[in-house]
Amino acid sequence: DVKVTQSSRYLVKRTGEKVFLECVQDMDHENMFWYRQDPGLGLRLIYFSYDVKMKEKGDIPEGYSVSREKKERFSLILESASTNQTSMYLCASSPGIQWGPYEQYFGPGTRLTVT
Amino acid sequence: LAKTTQPISMDSYEGQEVNITCSHNNIATNDYITWYQQFPSQGPRFIIQGYKTKVTNEVASLFIPADRKSSTLSLPRVSLSDTAVYYCLVGRPNDMRFGAGTRLTVKP
Repeated sequence: DVKVTQSSRYLVKRTGEKVFLECVQDMDHENMFWYRQDPGLGLRLIYFSYDVKMKEKGDIPEGYSVSREKKERFSLILESASTNQTSMYLCASSPGIQWGPYEQYFGPGTRLTVT
Repeated sequence: LAKTTQPISMDSYEGQEVNITCSHNNIATNDYITWYQQFPSQGPRFIIQGYKTKVTNEVASLFIPADRKSSTLSLPRVSLSDTAVYYCLVGRPNDMRFGAGTRLTVKP
């Protein structure tokens, strides 16, 4: 079974703190994704990575950065947390095919509260 | 990037068949159609994926008409545990977006 794990299920941070959210997958997938999910807005893509040290902005990258130094690990960084970044953060991975059927495998999510 | 439109919510009763339709008028030739299910406090889970015609697996069927501008997820004989949000995605592996999804509530 594919496993995507996230470092914390719940996290509480203060405004202005630097926050690291870690994601690890064990299926040797090339692609990894970070989403945030807010009520009524569905999942919105923050960043994704299709290879080590590669990254692409998603739809809402402002206020976030990412790091992918190893294939299995993809980190989301909030340089200076703000209250509007309080959300559920979901990491996903998928195989690195260009065409054809594929699926994303999701982690359990990290509920981040910024006070 | 293909935009998808699906109902915000649907209600059903246990034992009924549920059909959720997704519109994707600007689907591209190489785009696949994928459906995910999400329970509260969990990440989405893949249900089914197709390119054209009909696909069936152990949990659902996916119907795609010839013009591929819409698709219908069919859940046979739903139970209370099928209460969840269902997302329709259209695109290629690195070019898919989740919409707001359809909240399905199954009643006893």
